[in-house]
Amino acid sequence: EIVLTQSPGTLSLSPGERATLSCRASQSVSSNFVAWYQQKPGQAPRLLIYAASIRATGVPDRLSGSGSGTDFTLTISRLEPEDFAVYYCQQYGSSPQTFGQGTKVEIK
Amino acid sequence: EVQLLESGGGLVQPGGSLRLSCAASGYTFSGFAVSWVRQAPGKGLEWVSTISGSVGIPGTTYYADSVKGRFTISRDNSKNTLYLQLNSLRPEDTAVYYCVRPRIRDEGYIDSWGQGTLVTVSS
Repeated sequence: EIVLTQSPGTLSLSPGERATLSCRASQSVSSNFVAWYQQKPGQAPRLLIYAASIRATGVPDRLSGSGSGTDFTLTISRLEPEDFAVYYCQQYGSSPQTFGQGTKVEIK
Repeated sequence: EVQLLESGGGLVQPGGSLRLSCAASGYTFSGFAVSWVRQAPGKGLEWVSTISGSVGIPGTTYYADSVKGRFTISRDNSKNTLYLQLNSLRPEDTAVYYCVRPRIRDEGYIDSWGQGTLVTVSS
């Protein structure tokens, strides 16, 4: 099973700042099949990025995904108030699919 | 618009059983795999189980090791409904259970989520 480690656990930033979230896999993820999700309190997660770098429908271009192999990154170029949430990465290149433990982006 | 609506959660004693349902609408239900993902209170996401759609071998099931032998996933394409039978429940099964639609492959990225149903296992 591939273990995903997200860092940092919490990111304290101000609106307008840049956020860089990391997701590191214990082994190479096949076809770079990594997705990113955003979850706000009391809500279901929402798909942001799949295949490491493809934005889902309706996702603003200030959010971008990158990476390959074992290291993947979600970048938010300029934080908006609605971006403060918890973010999870998922690998679906190998069975079983697995999720990271999450990164919370909070207002500083 | 894809909609997934879970029901059936509640409070159950350890060792008890529960059946969750998920009513799907807005797409051709039979053509897609569907899955359950859970989230324990204050914790992260955990894939639980998947059942394949009409692509490939229909009705193929997959389970996380943590629930294998205790949970059973099934679907009724005539009713556009997904089920999860939970037996021999443990306190660590306490979680919000989400019905989700994976894409690209049976264990793919998830483009649609239900609102979740809470299962609490406690005496």
